[in-house]
Amino acid sequence: DTAVSQTPKYLVTQMGNDKSIKCEQNLGHDTMYWYKQDSKKFLKIMFSYNNKELIINETVPNRFSPKSPDKAHLNLHINSLELGDSAVYFCASSQSGQGLYNEQFFGPGTRLTVL
Amino acid sequence: AQSVAQPEDQVNVAEGNPLTVKCTYSVSGNPYLFWYVQYPNRGLQFLLKYITGDNLVKGSYGFEAEFNKSQTSFHLKKPSALVSDSALYFCAVRDYRTGTASKLTFGTGTRLQVTL
Repeated sequence: DTAVSQTPKYLVTQMGNDKSIKCEQNLGHDTMYWYKQDSKKFLKIMFSYNNKELIINETVPNRFSPKSPDKAHLNLHINSLELGDSAVYFCASSQSGQGLYNEQFFGPGTRLTVL
Repeated sequence: AQSVAQPEDQVNVAEGNPLTVKCTYSVSGNPYLFWYVQYPNRGLQFLLKYITGDNLVKGSYGFEAEFNKSQTSFHLKKPSALVSDSALYFCAVRDYRTGTASKLTFGTGTRLQVTL
């Protein structure tokens, strides 16, 4: 009955590799997000999709490419991984719409370690 | 631009005592404010939010927060702390855009340590 799920939970890889993280939500929400939490626990938004359309695209290297095949899924592909990409990546979802001030629901996170 | 400040990296309190975790915000329009909690190795969990109405907002696990417009604050409170409340707490402010997703700006987090 997990609301927002992410796979994998842990990802250890070498510099220069390409990897993907997957996210799925079963809440019926129309908006999904990717956040990065660094080693100091600082949380920053990377991307957001609303109905499969990219609507938030923060200052993120173009090695990071999100893809939303449908409203329930948002994947994150990272090319040419660097040491500085090591972090915990969180997926989240919410329901948008005028008059709705809905909170975001977060997944359990994917801890990425680049060696 | 919107921002959130959590001035304390860590708050220590004894179990049974009241706790306060501070948050101040800066936003150009009406603030939509949120508190989230993160337990170790877990994702963030929603605690409560302020949109409009009563300045005192009640949330999950006995937490409440007081919105103070003149002081631009939204402090998290609980009358009696539990050891199980020990976690990382994030305050967030929302940039509301009609018809599109909201962008949450988070504070740097405050670690709450409740001891026996």
